[in-house]
Amino acid sequence: DVKVTQSSRYLVKRTGEKVFLECVQDMDHENMFWYRQDPGLGLRLIYFSYDVKMKEKGDIPEGYSVSREKKERFSLILESASTNQTSMYLCASSPDGLAGRNTQYFGPGTRLTVL
Amino acid sequence: GQQLNQSPQSMFIQEGEDVSMNCTSSSIFNTWLWYKQDPGEGPVLLIALYKAGELTSNGRLTAQFGITRKDSFLNISASIPSDVGIYFCAGPRSNYKLTFGKGTLLTVNP
Repeated sequence: DVKVTQSSRYLVKRTGEKVFLECVQDMDHENMFWYRQDPGLGLRLIYFSYDVKMKEKGDIPEGYSVSREKKERFSLILESASTNQTSMYLCASSPDGLAGRNTQYFGPGTRLTVL
Repeated sequence: GQQLNQSPQSMFIQEGEDVSMNCTSSSIFNTWLWYKQDPGEGPVLLIALYKAGELTSNGRLTAQFGITRKDSFLNISASIPSDVGIYFCAGPRSNYKLTFGKGTLLTVNP
């Protein structure tokens, strides 16, 4: 079974704080993704990585950065948290291969509240 | 860009009934994915389809990859209360990225 874990289920931070969200997958997947999910807006891709140290912007990268130093770990960083970054953050991973790379497996999510 | 239309938006059914939902795309897909999301949790992959016409089952769930490659269907037989949740379809919009339907909210009355 694919397992994607996220470091926290719930997180409360203050405006201006630097926030780290960690994601680890145990299936040796090449590709990893960060999404945020908001009511009425669905899942929106923030960043993804297709290899160690490689990253690409998704649809809403502003205010976020990422780090992938090891294949199994993908971190999302909020350099200076703002209240409009209050959301559910979801990490996902997928294997490489023509069909497989589109098959994403999600973690349990981190509910972040910025006060 | 690619858009997914998922219907119905919501369903209220009695326990034991069968459920059917579908997704249509404005363009051809080579993969269809179906996920279920419980409140406060991440989406869980239910079924992945990789070939037009493919019919795949996972317990009481059955999904089909439409022949036109522009649609997919998910059926749940003999629904139970734990089937409650939001069901999403998804398909690729590039080599790595997915586009998602807006979801079908399923409520099962015991």
